[in-house]
Amino acid sequence: ETGVTQTPRHLVMGMTNKKSLKCEQHLGHNAMYWYKQSAKKPLELMFVYNFKEQTENNSVPSRFSPECPNSSHLFLHLHTLQPEDSALYLCASSLPDRSSYTFGSGTRLTVV
Amino acid sequence: AQTVTQSQPEMSVQEAETVTLSCTYDTSESNYYLFWYKQPPSRQMILVIRQEAYKQQNATENRFSVNFQKAAKSFSLKISDSQLGDTAMYFCAFIITGKLIFGQGTELSVKP
Repeated sequence: ETGVTQTPRHLVMGMTNKKSLKCEQHLGHNAMYWYKQSAKKPLELMFVYNFKEQTENNSVPSRFSPECPNSSHLFLHLHTLQPEDSALYLCASSLPDRSSYTFGSGTRLTVV
Repeated sequence: AQTVTQSQPEMSVQEAETVTLSCTYDTSESNYYLFWYKQPPSRQMILVIRQEAYKQQNATENRFSVNFQKAAKSFSLKISDSQLGDTAMYFCAFIITGKLIFGQGTELSVKP
């Protein structure tokens, strides 16, 4: 374990479902991130939160809705997803100087 | 645009031998951090080694070392005495203005 915990590890959902991904860290980091990792593509930064405030939304469709209630927890709420949204979703956290990131093990999402 | 390019999608090496993974990047900034991450089948993104761009000395971490050529914007990873546990995807990445930008990855197989 790296100190960043993601749940669930695997998720299969229909296109009409609503589900949430959870990320938790107790490393004292103040920034948290969602990344999407699709097959044969580089990791794509989706959202950035600094001190609970969203500072980056990388043109992500509104069917993905992040929530950061405090510096230790980050959620990604999912609704009416498409099959092309199937991917590994990675959460990461970092210290203020951004000199290194710590990643979770990811949630493998399959949209059917 | 700030990009990271890994030109070797797949590589293989015999156990105990040395392998070098290449990475080039493009940025107009002068100060940044460079990283190599390892992602085994467990999906965990593990930091292998880090280099600060203002430091001329190449970073080393046990069997892992880098060849950082700032003028050429090149950042290769050398793995000495390869072990079966080194089999994984390897991603080159750099942090600039707080964003961690990844290359496409190189899939390394260490063969017995």
